[in-house]
Amino acid sequence: DVKVTQSSRYLVKRTGEKVFLECVQDMDHENMFWYRQDPGLGLRLIYFSYDVKMKEKGDIPEGYSVSREKKERFSLILESASTNQTSMYLCASSPWGEGAQETQYFGPGTRLLVL
Amino acid sequence: SQQGEEDPQALSIQEGENATMNCSYKTSINNLQWYRQNSGRGLVHLILIRSNEREKHSGRLRVTLDTSKKSSSLLITASRAADTASYFCATDVGAGKSTFGDGTTLTVKP
Repeated sequence: DVKVTQSSRYLVKRTGEKVFLECVQDMDHENMFWYRQDPGLGLRLIYFSYDVKMKEKGDIPEGYSVSREKKERFSLILESASTNQTSMYLCASSPWGEGAQETQYFGPGTRLLVL
Repeated sequence: SQQGEEDPQALSIQEGENATMNCSYKTSINNLQWYRQNSGRGLVHLILIRSNEREKHSGRLRVTLDTSKKSSSLLITASRAADTASYFCATDVGAGKSTFGDGTTLTVKP
């Protein structure tokens, strides 16, 4: 059974803190994604990685960075958390599909509250 | 602007009725996918339909794709209370990436 896990289901942080969100997949997928989900705005892509040490900016990368040192792990970093980064964060992975979107497998999400 | 947009935003039906949700998109696609999200959880893939397909079935789900109208529909037949969730269409924007709409929130009353 395919599995994507995220390090925390709920997280409370203070403004200015550095925040790490971890995502691990066990399907040997090439692609990994970080989204944030906000009411009325749907899912927005923050960063995308198609290989180890490779990353691409999504639609809303400002205030975020990512790290992919191993194929199975994709980390999202909030360098200095702000209240407008309070959101639900979803990680997903998919196989490489030669350019076309493939089925994405999602983790359970991390609900982050920045105070 | 978003590639895929679902309609209606919210749908409330009785158990046993059919539910139909629509998705419209703007540019050419290789495929279109539908996902489901239970409250507070991650998305789960339901069905993928390729641009050269017009209809696809999976259990109680039926998806149609009309590339000339740039639209797709998801039909859930004989709905159950457990079908209560949000449903999203995802269209591809190249390089393996997808774009998701805001979703349709379906409530099935027992």
